[in-house]
Amino acid sequence: QQQVKQSPQSLIVQKGGISIINCAYENTAFDYFPWYQQFPGKGPALLIAIRPDVSEKKEGRFTISFNKSAKQFSLHIMDSQPGDSATYFCGAGNNRKLIWGLGTSLAVNP
Amino acid sequence: KAGVTQTPRYLIKTRGQQVTLSCSPISGHRSVSWYQQTPGQGLQFLFEYFSETQRNKGNFPGRFSGRQFSNSRSEMNVSTLELGDSALYLCASSLVSDISTYGYTFGSGTRLTVV
Repeated sequence: QQQVKQSPQSLIVQKGGISIINCAYENTAFDYFPWYQQFPGKGPALLIAIRPDVSEKKEGRFTISFNKSAKQFSLHIMDSQPGDSATYFCGAGNNRKLIWGLGTSLAVNP
Repeated sequence: KAGVTQTPRYLIKTRGQQVTLSCSPISGHRSVSWYQQTPGQGLQFLFEYFSETQRNKGNFPGRFSGRQFSNSRSEMNVSTLELGDSALYLCASSLVSDISTYGYTFGSGTRLTVV
């Protein structure tokens, strides 16, 4: 079964630091790679997404870096804030179906 | 604008029983997908409905079924519950079936516990 491997499983960062979460996929046909953010008691919410025709996409403090040849992509959270403490999921797939990583629990210490 | 509404929020059922979960998507959204979320398996896709038709199905046994009504509201049913069915069930709506255009909007989920 196709997998998306997400690491690390958990991450602790100091306020103002950079949080980095990585994902690796297997299927070279995948062309859509979103990141979702989930707070306790809530469903995941779309944070940012990228297509393989670009190597980087930035939205505010959140950046996706994409390496097509390595089949890897990562989420960078700059100037991490306590309000960013949540679980982050990467997805890989196409316009009809996604396979998800198992999530990264991020804690940002004040 | 109301979000995706899932009812009930919490449910406790006994092994062998059946359960029906409900999802009301965002107004105007025609696609509804269902996911099972567990700590060990993460988000597992169950099925997707678009205009009352099942468009896509995940690798779950036939005990898991769903349907969509003409107003886009959706229900999923699990029959003959097993302990392993304990999970958070998430409903996700999207404007169109192409999730890469607008992404999913998830509800807060129904926490099902099977005892």
